[in-house]
Amino acid sequence: GQQVMQIPQYQHVQEGEDFTTYCNSSTTLSNIQWYKQRPGGHPVFLIQLVKSGEVKKQKRLTFQFGEAKKNSSLHITATQTTDVGTYFCAGPRTGKLIFGQGTTLQVKP
Amino acid sequence: NAGVTQTPKFQVLKTGQSMTLQCAQDMNHEYMSWYRQDPGMGLRLIHYSVGAGITDQGEVPNGYNVSRSTTEDFPLRLLSAAPSQTSVYFCASSYGGEAQPQHFGDGTRLSIL
Repeated sequence: GQQVMQIPQYQHVQEGEDFTTYCNSSTTLSNIQWYKQRPGGHPVFLIQLVKSGEVKKQKRLTFQFGEAKKNSSLHITATQTTDVGTYFCAGPRTGKLIFGQGTTLQVKP
Repeated sequence: NAGVTQTPKFQVLKTGQSMTLQCAQDMNHEYMSWYRQDPGMGLRLIHYSVGAGITDQGEVPNGYNVSRSTTEDFPLRLLSAAPSQTSVYFCASSYGGEAQPQHFGDGTRLSIL
């Protein structure tokens, strides 16, 4: 079964509100990757976190990697309609890259 | 560069038919993989390859075969299609393996009647 769990599955926000998705692994990860998939599109790599406790920012997006390297989060400040899509975390595991179930974000203008 | 190219983009099959989904990349990536995407299930790994001549099973390999005769190509075969294989299939590749950023193709939307 899924070894990388992601919550929530869906999130509806008003434009301008903040959004957070959480990712949890059953085992320690060497790194965590985040991807975004627009409706009807394919997953596109956003960022990779490697170090324990690492925090990275991309404009309004803030990514964190937990101290134990078993959890991660993506926070979007002041969402815009362009943020609509599904956000996936993924963790490498002995030759395989395992994805979480994804969080689908809807933004009401 | 074309990146990762998947063909066809759409396909409808009847139960029991066979089909090959094509995937090609022109980035000289050693690592290639196939995922299926179903609602609420995220992306599930079917098979992957760390280089030409080497393939291995992912999370959901049953009903699918792969081969990797060249670095560029990684076809996925359905030997006897079943309705449960209705899904969107994505091929991905990367330079340094599973721990590196993956480049995805546009996907193949497959319906099995």
